[in-house]
Amino acid sequence: QSALTQPASVSGSPGQSITISCTGTSSDVGGYNYVSWYQHHPGKAPKFMIYDVSKRPSGVSNHFSGSKSGNTASLTISGLQPEDEADYYCCSYAGSNTWVFGGGTKLTVL
Amino acid sequence: EVQLVESGGGLVQPGGSLRLSCAASGFTFSDYWMHWVRQGPGKGLVWVSRINSDGGSTTYADSVRGRFIISRDNAKNTLYLQMNSLRAEDTAVYYCARDRNYNLGDVWGKGTTVTVSS
Repeated sequence: QSALTQPASVSGSPGQSITISCTGTSSDVGGYNYVSWYQHHPGKAPKFMIYDVSKRPSGVSNHFSGSKSGNTASLTISGLQPEDEADYYCCSYAGSNTWVFGGGTKLTVL
Repeated sequence: EVQLVESGGGLVQPGGSLRLSCAASGFTFSDYWMHWVRQGPGKGLVWVSRINSDGGSTTYADSVRGRFIISRDNAKNTLYLQMNSLRAEDTAVYYCARDRNYNLGDVWGKGTTVTVSS
């Protein structure tokens, strides 16, 4: 149950696009299409942004998108907005009814 | 409104016990698997435990297996986490979250804080 690997921080200017990677193994990210992403503002409940690798729940802006290649999943935010500044976490099903999160990425909008 | 509300956190001494609750409303609780997730101070989210819809199947992270017990009362729309033999490293905000077909957490509570300290 090792944590998935995410960059500790990423940054971008308003209007730019950024991508956050989430690297696991063939036992988690690479083995299942159950990767989800969360936006977390400190002190608040995490918000469900992406599920099943690339699907967006209703109400989530289409400037958030997800993808996966091999053992690495990615979250792309296009047209950065100041309110996108938050911590972002990936999570993958890891088999045998267990789950694993990434270490989290702090997004700064410059 | 779909809602999860955690309670039961507090200060407990090492080796002590605590039971967390998560009250669900706005959806058919008995239809969903549920999870507990925690976030230690300055750290990331960590999956703790999962229970299936009827409570008959449970799984745990290695770090809590044998010490924590997840359970649910579908008649009361409530999820529980019994935490025993608590350690300093269990200090965290504990969140309950609803499962969406193996995607953890389409709905989250706001969390309850557990502090393990003498």
